Amino acid sequence: AQSVTQPDIHITVSEGASLELRCNYSYGATPYLFWYVQSPGQGLQLLLKYFSGDTLVQGIKGFEAEFKRSQSSFNLRKPSVHWSDAAEYFCAVGRGNRDDKIIFGKGTRLHILP
Amino acid sequence: DTGVSQDPRHKITKRGQNVTFRCDPISEHNRLYWYRQTLGQGPEFLTYFQNEAQLEKSRLLSDRFSAERPKGSFSTLEIQRTEQGDSAMYLCASSLVGATNEQFFGPGTRLTVL
Repeated sequence: AQSVTQPDIHITVSEGASLELRCNYSYGATPYLFWYVQSPGQGLQLLLKYFSGDTLVQGIKGFEAEFKRSQSSFNLRKPSVHWSDAAEYFCAVGRGNRDDKIIFGKGTRLHILP
Repeated sequence: DTGVSQDPRHKITKRGQNVTFRCDPISEHNRLYWYRQTLGQGPEFLTYFQNEAQLEKSRLLSDRFSAERPKGSFSTLEIQRTEQGDSAMYLCASSLVGATNEQFFGPGTRLTVL
């Protein structure tokens, strides 16, 4: 069965600093990988997804993620965070069918210092 | 494009009562998913439909839970004899099979069982 681990429950960075959120997955085959963001009172929004091809994926709001099969990782990065990036971030993995259910990690809450 | 809508947004009920939630997916989407999210956790898969057919149910979905999508459009999730452990955010998502490969999430229904 697939699973997702987000080792950091909370992360605090200063506005303008770079960001990296860690994600490790467990899945026997090539996974479909996602990063979602959830702001207070808002629904989940997809930031980016990896299905195949280039292992560096660009997403919305200036985010990117890199798929590393050897490390079973899919870390999310942003070169310079903005106060509006404060939210909960979820890494998720899907099964072989692109439209199948998604297994989410427990999330990382990002705090931004002014 | 009106997005995924859920009704009600909040529900407070007493233990032992039955509750029903509604989800209206994006109109052309043929897949509809239900997830449950408790405090400090990521969303957990409950069940999903393709058109009116329920394709998979999680072990989390006890006999007290039932979901329907009678005409392949909106869906309802009913919880009978609610328990305090049912308190959570219930999220609905929809997707168009083979097209965008993205699940679009609604704002959720927050259930509080007293």
